[in-house]
Amino acid sequence: DQQVKQNSPSLSVQEGRISILNCDYTNSMFDYFLWYKKYPAEGPTFLISISSIKDKNEDGRFTVFLNKSAKHLSLHIVPSQPGDSAVYFCAARGTGNQFYFGTGTSLTVIP
Amino acid sequence: DSGVTQTPKHLITATGQRVTLRCSPRSGDLSVYWYQQSLDQGLQFLIQYYNGEERAKGNILERFSAQQFPDLHSELNLSSLELGDSALYFCASSQGSLSYNEQFFGPGTRLTVL
Repeated sequence: DQQVKQNSPSLSVQEGRISILNCDYTNSMFDYFLWYKKYPAEGPTFLISISSIKDKNEDGRFTVFLNKSAKHLSLHIVPSQPGDSAVYFCAARGTGNQFYFGTGTSLTVIP
Repeated sequence: DSGVTQTPKHLITATGQRVTLRCSPRSGDLSVYWYQQSLDQGLQFLIQYYNGEERAKGNILERFSAQQFPDLHSELNLSSLELGDSALYFCASSQGSLSYNEQFFGPGTRLTVL
């Protein structure tokens, strides 16, 4: 049972435009959400996180939005750069410090 | 380079066999997490150790076990291997026992069961 879902396996965006990656979750008890970026042949790298008590967190070009009523999380990258091309995973922390990851969205930024 | 090391990088073995995957966390990190990523699947959390003690448990099969040693490195033991155990196994580490801090991932061990 996939408690964290990323329904778009891939996304292509022109360089300089906004990339929006989406994530949906089912468990209202999740209290902490994270985004990771993964390049081929490497482990995931932490990107940005947000607590369930907030609705927005910004770090440079990356902003994460949380809509708890919709159980929806999104990552905005503005402006997108070719180096942002990677697979992006969203993750959520549940009870007992367990982490649930989505299946990932492969982002391609076209120069 | 995250500072987390995993060995071996690749492992090919046969069904029914047993393997051990090794992870060394970043210097100063006390928590180690293990994840499994099967084809077209997200990362599945297996287990967390903090300073030698089991801290959290996910969907880890009974055929799998892990431990964290006094020097804080960790090993994931997989036994009675099945074809479906073929996957990328990631180890991650963090400073504290709770993961408000980011987890730093190693490069993974690719296990192929033939």
